[in-house]
Amino acid sequence: DVKVTQSSRYLVKRTGEKVFLECVQDMDHENMFWYRQDPGLGLRLIYFSYDVKMKEKGDIPEGYSVSREKKERFSLILESASTNQTSMYLCASRRGHDTEAFFGQGTRLTVV
Amino acid sequence: AQSVSQHNHHVILSEAASLELGCNYSYGGTVNLFWYVQYPGQHLQLLLKYFSGDPLVKGIKGFEAEFIKSKFSFNLRKPSVQWSDTAEYFCAVKTNAGKSTFGDGTTLTVKP
Repeated sequence: DVKVTQSSRYLVKRTGEKVFLECVQDMDHENMFWYRQDPGLGLRLIYFSYDVKMKEKGDIPEGYSVSREKKERFSLILESASTNQTSMYLCASRRGHDTEAFFGQGTRLTVV
Repeated sequence: AQSVSQHNHHVILSEAASLELGCNYSYGGTVNLFWYVQYPGQHLQLLLKYFSGDPLVKGIKGFEAEFIKSKFSFNLRKPSVQWSDTAEYFCAVKTNAGKSTFGDGTTLTVKP
Protein backbone atom coordinates (compact mmCIF):
# COMPACT_ATOMS: atom_id res chain seq x y z
CA ASP A 1 0.00 0.00 0.00
CA VAL A 2 1.53 3.28 -1.12
CA LYS A 3 1.96 5.83 1.58
CA VAL A 4 2.66 9.51 1.03
CA THR A 5 3.22 11.30 4.29
CA GLN A 6 3.27 15.02 4.82
CA SER A 7 4.95 16.11 7.99
CA SER A 8 2.25 18.47 9.23
CA ARG A 9 -1.53 18.61 8.86
CA TYR A 10 -1.79 22.21 10.02
CA LEU A 11 0.75 25.01 10.16
CA VAL A 12 0.48 28.66 11.13
CA LYS A 13 3.38 30.91 10.16
CA ARG A 14 4.06 34.61 10.19
CA THR A 15 4.58 36.75 7.13
CA GLY A 16 8.23 36.74 6.12
CA GLU A 17 9.09 33.44 7.77
CA LYS A 18 10.88 30.71 5.88
CA VAL A 19 8.61 27.66 5.74
CA PHE A 20 9.48 24.06 4.98
CA LEU A 21 6.85 21.52 3.99
CA GLU A 22 8.10 17.96 3.97
CA CYS A 23 6.82 14.98 2.04
CA VAL A 24 7.99 11.39 2.18
CA GLN A 25 6.85 8.42 0.08
CA ASP A 26 7.64 4.81 0.82
CA MET A 27 7.22 3.15 -2.57
CA ASP A 28 10.41 4.13 -4.39
CA HIS A 29 8.53 6.35 -6.82
CA GLU A 30 10.60 8.38 -9.23
CA ASN A 31 8.19 11.26 -9.63
CA MET A 32 7.03 13.62 -6.91
CA PHE A 33 4.84 16.69 -7.06
CA TRP A 34 3.70 19.65 -4.99
CA TYR A 35 0.28 21.18 -5.60
CA ARG A 36 -1.74 23.82 -3.86
CA GLN A 37 -5.49 23.42 -3.61
CA ASP A 38 -7.71 26.47 -3.36
CA PRO A 39 -11.52 26.65 -3.49
CA GLY A 40 -12.75 27.08 -7.04
CA LEU A 41 -9.25 26.75 -8.48
CA GLY A 42 -8.72 23.02 -8.14
CA LEU A 43 -5.17 21.74 -7.88
CA ARG A 44 -2.38 23.82 -9.33
CA LEU A 45 1.08 22.40 -9.84
CA ILE A 46 3.87 24.28 -8.09
CA TYR A 47 6.92 22.09 -8.75
CA PHE A 48 7.67 18.52 -9.66
CA SER A 49 10.66 16.25 -9.71
CA TYR A 50 11.45 13.26 -11.91
CA ASP A 51 14.48 12.12 -10.01
CA VAL A 52 16.84 12.96 -7.19
CA LYS A 53 18.24 16.47 -7.47
CA MET A 54 16.02 17.19 -10.46
CA LYS A 55 13.22 19.71 -10.37
CA GLU A 56 10.90 21.33 -12.84
CA LYS A 57 8.69 24.36 -12.47
CA GLY A 58 4.98 23.78 -12.57
CA ASP A 59 2.31 26.32 -13.33
CA ILE A 60 2.73 28.57 -10.28
CA PRO A 61 6.33 28.32 -9.02
CA GLU A 62 6.72 31.97 -7.98
CA GLY A 63 7.52 32.34 -4.31
CA TYR A 64 8.41 28.67 -3.89
CA SER A 65 11.43 26.45 -4.24
CA VAL A 66 11.95 22.71 -3.77
CA SER A 67 14.59 20.26 -2.74
CA ARG A 68 14.98 16.58 -3.59
CA GLU A 69 18.15 15.25 -2.03
CA LYS A 70 16.81 11.73 -1.55
CA LYS A 71 14.42 9.77 -3.71
CA GLU A 72 11.82 9.37 -1.00
CA ARG A 73 11.71 12.98 0.16
CA PHE A 74 10.50 16.10 -1.62
CA SER A 75 10.48 19.39 0.26
CA LEU A 76 8.62 22.55 -0.60
CA ILE A 77 10.16 25.79 0.64
CA LEU A 78 8.53 29.16 1.01
CA GLU A 79 11.50 31.52 1.22
CA SER A 80 9.48 34.37 2.69
CA ALA A 81 5.90 33.42 3.43
CA SER A 82 3.13 35.79 2.40
CA THR A 83 -0.56 35.82 3.20
CA ASN A 84 -1.47 34.86 -0.38
CA GLN A 85 0.33 31.58 0.21
CA THR A 86 -2.30 30.55 2.73
CA SER A 87 -3.62 27.36 1.20
CA MET A 88 -3.86 23.59 1.33
CA TYR A 89 -0.65 22.02 0.02
CA LEU A 90 -0.74 18.52 -1.43
CA CYS A 91 2.19 16.28 -2.14
CA ALA A 92 1.90 13.40 -4.61
CA SER A 93 4.13 10.68 -5.97
CA ARG A 94 3.99 8.49 -9.05
CA ARG A 95 6.03 5.54 -10.21
CA GLY A 96 6.46 6.37 -13.85
CA HIS A 97 4.74 8.24 -16.61
CA ASP A 98 1.95 5.74 -17.11
CA THR A 99 0.56 5.38 -13.65
CA GLU A 100 -1.70 7.34 -11.37
CA ALA A 101 -0.54 9.66 -8.63
CA PHE A 102 -0.86 8.94 -4.92
CA PHE A 103 -1.55 11.87 -2.63
CA GLY A 104 -0.70 12.78 0.92
CA GLN A 105 -3.22 14.07 3.43
CA GLY A 106 -2.33 17.66 2.78
CA THR A 107 -0.90 20.47 4.88
CA ARG A 108 -3.16 23.40 5.59
CA LEU A 109 -0.87 26.40 5.86
CA THR A 110 -2.07 29.69 7.25
CA VAL A 111 0.18 32.73 6.94
CA VAL A 112 -0.73 35.56 9.28
CA ALA B 1 -0.59 24.36 -22.64
CA GLN B 2 -3.21 21.83 -21.73
CA SER B 3 -6.24 22.80 -19.72
CA VAL B 4 -9.10 20.93 -18.10
CA SER B 5 -12.62 22.24 -17.71
CA GLN B 6 -15.20 20.79 -15.35
CA HIS B 7 -18.60 22.16 -16.17
CA ASN B 8 -20.27 22.08 -12.79
CA HIS B 9 -18.79 23.49 -9.63
CA HIS B 10 -21.51 22.18 -7.33
CA VAL B 11 -24.03 19.44 -7.97
CA ILE B 12 -26.78 18.50 -5.54
CA LEU B 13 -28.64 15.22 -6.01
CA SER B 14 -30.98 13.03 -4.06
CA GLU B 15 -30.03 9.44 -3.33
CA ALA B 16 -30.67 7.05 -6.22
CA ALA B 17 -30.46 9.84 -8.79
CA SER B 18 -28.14 9.37 -11.74
CA LEU B 19 -24.93 11.35 -11.95
CA GLU B 20 -22.95 12.75 -14.83
CA LEU B 21 -20.05 15.13 -14.29
CA GLY B 22 -18.59 16.77 -17.34
CA CYS B 23 -14.89 17.06 -18.11
CA ASN B 24 -13.34 18.51 -21.24
CA TYR B 25 -9.68 19.03 -21.94
CA SER B 26 -7.68 20.91 -24.49
CA TYR B 27 -4.65 19.10 -25.82
CA GLY B 28 -4.10 17.71 -29.27
CA GLY B 29 -1.79 14.82 -28.48
CA THR B 30 -2.01 11.56 -26.61
CA VAL B 31 -3.39 11.87 -23.11
CA ASN B 32 -3.99 9.81 -20.04
CA LEU B 33 -7.18 10.70 -18.22
CA PHE B 34 -8.12 10.38 -14.57
CA TRP B 35 -10.89 11.05 -12.15
CA TYR B 36 -9.90 11.54 -8.53
CA VAL B 37 -12.20 11.83 -5.54
CA GLN B 38 -11.68 13.57 -2.22
CA TYR B 39 -14.09 12.56 0.53
CA PRO B 40 -14.53 15.01 3.40
CA GLY B 41 -11.42 15.01 5.55
CA GLN B 42 -9.61 12.46 3.42
CA HIS B 43 -6.84 12.58 0.88
CA LEU B 44 -7.32 12.54 -2.86
CA GLN B 45 -7.62 9.05 -4.27
CA LEU B 46 -7.99 7.58 -7.71
CA LEU B 47 -11.51 6.76 -8.89
CA LEU B 48 -10.67 5.53 -12.37
CA LYS B 49 -8.25 6.07 -15.24
CA TYR B 50 -8.00 5.75 -18.99
CA PHE B 51 -4.74 5.03 -20.75
CA SER B 52 -5.73 3.15 -23.90
CA GLY B 53 -8.12 0.52 -25.23
CA ASP B 54 -11.82 0.44 -24.39
CA PRO B 55 -12.94 4.06 -24.03
CA LEU B 56 -15.50 3.08 -21.41
CA VAL B 57 -13.65 2.54 -18.16
CA LYS B 58 -15.03 1.30 -14.91
CA GLY B 59 -13.74 2.42 -11.55
CA ILE B 60 -14.41 1.81 -7.91
CA LYS B 61 -17.79 2.16 -6.20
CA GLY B 62 -19.83 1.79 -9.39
CA PHE B 63 -18.38 4.79 -11.21
CA GLU B 64 -17.55 4.74 -14.89
CA ALA B 65 -16.29 7.25 -17.44
CA GLU B 66 -16.29 7.41 -21.19
CA PHE B 67 -13.46 8.87 -23.24
CA ILE B 68 -14.76 10.49 -26.42
CA LYS B 69 -11.70 11.57 -28.33
CA SER B 70 -13.58 13.60 -30.93
CA LYS B 71 -15.15 15.68 -28.18
CA PHE B 72 -12.04 15.86 -25.95
CA SER B 73 -14.28 14.69 -23.15
CA PHE B 74 -14.05 12.27 -20.25
CA ASN B 75 -17.35 12.44 -18.40
CA LEU B 76 -17.91 10.62 -15.14
CA ARG B 77 -21.13 8.71 -14.55
CA LYS B 78 -22.88 6.69 -11.91
CA PRO B 79 -26.40 5.29 -12.40
CA SER B 80 -27.52 5.64 -8.78
CA VAL B 81 -25.68 7.79 -6.26
CA GLN B 82 -25.52 7.20 -2.53
CA TRP B 83 -25.14 9.61 0.36
CA SER B 84 -21.58 8.29 0.80
CA ASP B 85 -20.69 9.64 -2.66
CA THR B 86 -20.73 13.17 -1.25
CA ALA B 87 -17.25 14.41 -2.09
CA GLU B 88 -15.23 16.63 -4.38
CA TYR B 89 -14.38 15.16 -7.78
CA PHE B 90 -11.42 16.18 -9.92
CA CYS B 91 -10.75 15.38 -13.53
CA ALA B 92 -7.08 15.30 -14.55
CA VAL B 93 -5.20 15.00 -17.82
CA LYS B 94 -1.62 13.85 -18.21
CA THR B 95 0.27 14.37 -21.42
CA ASN B 96 3.37 12.62 -22.74
CA ALA B 97 5.48 15.29 -21.10
CA GLY B 98 4.44 13.81 -17.77
CA LYS B 99 2.76 16.83 -16.27
CA SER B 100 -0.78 16.45 -14.99
CA THR B 101 -3.34 19.23 -15.13
CA PHE B 102 -6.38 19.15 -12.88
CA GLY B 103 -9.79 20.69 -13.33
CA ASP B 104 -11.24 23.07 -10.77
CA GLY B 105 -13.22 20.29 -9.13
CA THR B 106 -16.92 19.55 -8.71
CA THR B 107 -18.46 19.30 -5.28
CA LEU B 108 -21.16 16.65 -5.18
CA THR B 109 -23.69 16.75 -2.36
CA VAL B 110 -26.06 13.79 -2.12
CA LYS B 111 -29.11 14.36 0.04
CA PRO B 112 -30.30 11.29 1.96
